[in-house]
Amino acid sequence: GQNIDQPTEMTATEGAIVQINCTYQTSGFNGLFWYQQHAGEAPTFLSYNVLDGLEEKGRFSSFLSRSKGYSYLLLKELQMKDSASYLCAVVHSWGKLQFGAGTQVVVTP
Amino acid sequence: DGGITQSPKYLFRKEGQNVTLSCEQNLNHDAMYWYRQDPGQGLRLIYYSQIVNDFQKGDIAEGYSVSREKKESFPLTVTSAQKNPTAFYLCASSMADVNEQFFGPGTRLTVL
Repeated sequence: GQNIDQPTEMTATEGAIVQINCTYQTSGFNGLFWYQQHAGEAPTFLSYNVLDGLEEKGRFSSFLSRSKGYSYLLLKELQMKDSASYLCAVVHSWGKLQFGAGTQVVVTP
Repeated sequence: DGGITQSPKYLFRKEGQNVTLSCEQNLNHDAMYWYRQDPGQGLRLIYYSQIVNDFQKGDIAEGYSVSREKKESFPLTVTSAQKNPTAFYLCASSMADVNEQFFGPGTRLTVL
């Protein structure tokens, strides 16, 4: 089967760190994307992992363990503008993406 | 500027009417996709096209139709056979053999 799980919602304060986990079970795997989506807007690209390990890009980092079917997105030094939904998406054989339901991150002052 | 456009941003239709959503890209991308997003759910693939004049059904194609007569354009028709058409529709495109997809701004369709 194909299944992608991520928490529904997470709340953190401004300046803090939040880690969003994503676990997946898929028949084909060619990488994993993280997208950010503000309400009513299009998803925007954050990161892409295809090999195991940590990819760091400014305040955002993404980690992948293919053997465990596990990824996380780490958001550091949270800002109010980081309040959004974060989508985990697994790439299948030809480039088809399968999305998780998204994690709504709420940043409080 | 290069990008993907979808129009209109908001669309209202009466039940039983077909409606066509526009998607245009000037990124010279070969592949284009249509997704549907419902509240609290992830994106679900409706149709995709890897080259002109060819397209494939995604996970929830029933009640929808598409065409790909030009590389730049991939319109989606929501037919009266779609039982629950009210949703946020997103179009995306990507280069051939490259996984990253770029998304348009979306069209919110409400069927009354």
